[in-house]
Amino acid sequence: SAVISQKPSRDICQRGTSLTIQCQVDSQVTMMFWYRQQPGQSLTLIATANQGSEATYESGFVIDKFPISRPNLTFSTLTVSNMSPEDSSIYLCSVSGLAGGSSYNEQFFGPGTRLTVL
Amino acid sequence: DAKTTQPPSMDCAEGRAANLPCNHSTISGNEYVYWYRQIHSQGPQYIIHGLKNNETNEMASLIITEDRKSSTLILPHATLRDTAVYYCIVRVVNYGGATNKLIFGTGTLLAVQP
Repeated sequence: SAVISQKPSRDICQRGTSLTIQCQVDSQVTMMFWYRQQPGQSLTLIATANQGSEATYESGFVIDKFPISRPNLTFSTLTVSNMSPEDSSIYLCSVSGLAGGSSYNEQFFGPGTRLTVL
Repeated sequence: DAKTTQPPSMDCAEGRAANLPCNHSTISGNEYVYWYRQIHSQGPQYIIHGLKNNETNEMASLIITEDRKSSTLILPHATLRDTAVYYCIVRVVNYGGATNKLIFGTGTLLAVQP
């Protein structure tokens, strides 16, 4: 399995500011994803982070609001830009396709970043 | 990906088997059935997956009907620590493809009672 860490684990931010969330994996992975979980809701996929190219966004999510970087096979960042209280959520990083493994079948999740926007 | 239907909540007595149903009547031939769970304030945890045969691992068993339109996740001896939201997901597995993404439904909140 993969060990995934996220920084920060939680933050409280002011309206109109931006926050960058980091996701670090302990091994190389092919696929990295970013999800959002609003209070009391299920997980919603924001985008697939592609190494060396622009992320692939799901319907309803745009690059200007959620810019994503993926400079290598073990690291990605998600920025929540120009935040409003509606952005208060848990943001989760997820990975699949571990190098040397058969785990395209499994998708592993980080612990999440709990964001509160005032 | 095909849509799944799960009951919103279920109760189970500690030590008894928990049987969580899932309907996926529009599943395609190349779509797998996956189960994940999310314990409060944690990221989702992979449990098990299958295509058409029943599967068992150290956590659970997965029973898929012959027509593949429904499945049941079985936790053989539920404990209080199994209290969580359980998600049934169907998806195609393409090696290296973007369709590896998991799309979550609303899941079933399983409450294990002492």
